[in-house]
Amino acid sequence: QKEVEQDPGPLSVPEGAIVSLNCTYSNSAFQYFMWYRQYSRKGPELLMYTYSSGNKEDGRFTAQVDKSSKYISLFIRDSQPSDSATYLCAMSAYPNTDKLIFGTGTRLQVFP
Amino acid sequence: ETGVTQSPTHLIKTRGQQVTLRCSSQSGHNTVSWYQQALGQGPQFIFQYYREEENGRGNFPPRFSGLQFPNYSSELNVNALELDDSALYLCASSSGQGAYMNTEAFFGQGTRLTVV
Repeated sequence: QKEVEQDPGPLSVPEGAIVSLNCTYSNSAFQYFMWYRQYSRKGPELLMYTYSSGNKEDGRFTAQVDKSSKYISLFIRDSQPSDSATYLCAMSAYPNTDKLIFGTGTRLQVFP
Repeated sequence: ETGVTQSPTHLIKTRGQQVTLRCSSQSGHNTVSWYQQALGQGPQFIFQYYREEENGRGNFPPRFSGLQFPNYSSELNVNALELDDSALYLCASSSGQGAYMNTEAFFGQGTRLTVV
């Protein structure tokens, strides 16, 4: 069993839709939770970072962490065609907080 | 665009050969981590260098080795290449140990290695 599970998709939605992306994990030591966006042939770009449980909002993006359920989510409101990319969740634990454990990534396509 | 640059961008090697990939970290960053991303998969942590010392290693064999230089740039070396080594190799630079305690890690665009 992988430490981090993520549905690979693809997920196809119309422009303006609310997108929900999710990951589950098995290691209860994870405390740092990240969402990266990766465009084709590019390196991952950090979108959101959350420490421990709770919600965090940044513009159209909201990250949620539920440590009791070992479940994290990324919501994208008013999705745009430019949001079409692969979304990777990543996690880490103290003391190696920058040793990131990634999910497989979910490919998202937003069509006009 | 981040300040992390990787070279070369693409590379084709033959099974059994050796390869060296290079990464220039962002200005002010002293930590470089290397990841392997196979097609359709998330990145897998290979190892990390902090101030020229290896600081953590993932589940990769010893034929994967690295170096970090005084200017904090880094090399990833892979010996005795196998077909399964074909992947996108990513480096990420950050400031200090425990990047997410201080600042985020920035990824380069990657080197796509094909082993034939």
